[in-house]
Amino acid sequence: DQQVKQNSPSLSVQEGRISILNCDYTNSMFDYFLWYKKYPAEGPTFLISISSIKDKNEDGRFTVFLNKSAKHLSLHIVPSQPGDSAVYFCQPDKLIFGTGTRLQVFP
Amino acid sequence: ETGVTQSPTHLIKTRGQQVTLRCSSQSGHNTVSWYQQALGQGPQFIFQYYREEENGRGNFPPRFSGLQFPNYSSELNVNALELDDSALYLCASSLGSGRLNEQYFGPGTRLTVT
Repeated sequence: DQQVKQNSPSLSVQEGRISILNCDYTNSMFDYFLWYKKYPAEGPTFLISISSIKDKNEDGRFTVFLNKSAKHLSLHIVPSQPGDSAVYFCQPDKLIFGTGTRLQVFP
Repeated sequence: ETGVTQSPTHLIKTRGQQVTLRCSSQSGHNTVSWYQQALGQGPQFIFQYYREEENGRGNFPPRFSGLQFPNYSSELNVNALELDDSALYLCASSLGSGRLNEQYFGPGTRLTVT
């Protein structure tokens, strides 16, 4: 049983535009959510997090939105840059990762 | 401050063999978690060690075992290797085992079982 799903395996966005990565979860007990970014040949690195007491958290170009009733969170990157090209994982629990979305930002 | 390191980088083993993967935690971190990442999947939690004691385990069989040493470095041992064990193995260290403790990942060990 998959407790977290990232339904888009890949996403291609033009530089300067917005990238939106989505994540759906099933367990309503999750109350702290993280996003990680992973480059090839490197381990995942922490990007941004959100607590369930909030519905939005912003850090520079990165914003995470949480919709608890829909059990859905999304990561917005604006403006997207070529260096953002990586695989992004959502983590609704410290020990559970989504399947990842590969983002490619092209010039 | 050194980051999380893992060795070896790549490894090829034959089905039925045993393998030991190593992880050196970030300085000052007392918690290490191991994950298996199969191709096209997200990391799957194997187990976590906090101050040398196992502190949680995912849905992996007993042939996956681990150790954490007094210096907080760690090993992942897999016995009786199966083809499906081929994956990237990641370790992550953190200061504390709580949910809010940020994890720092190593680059992983790519294991291929033939």
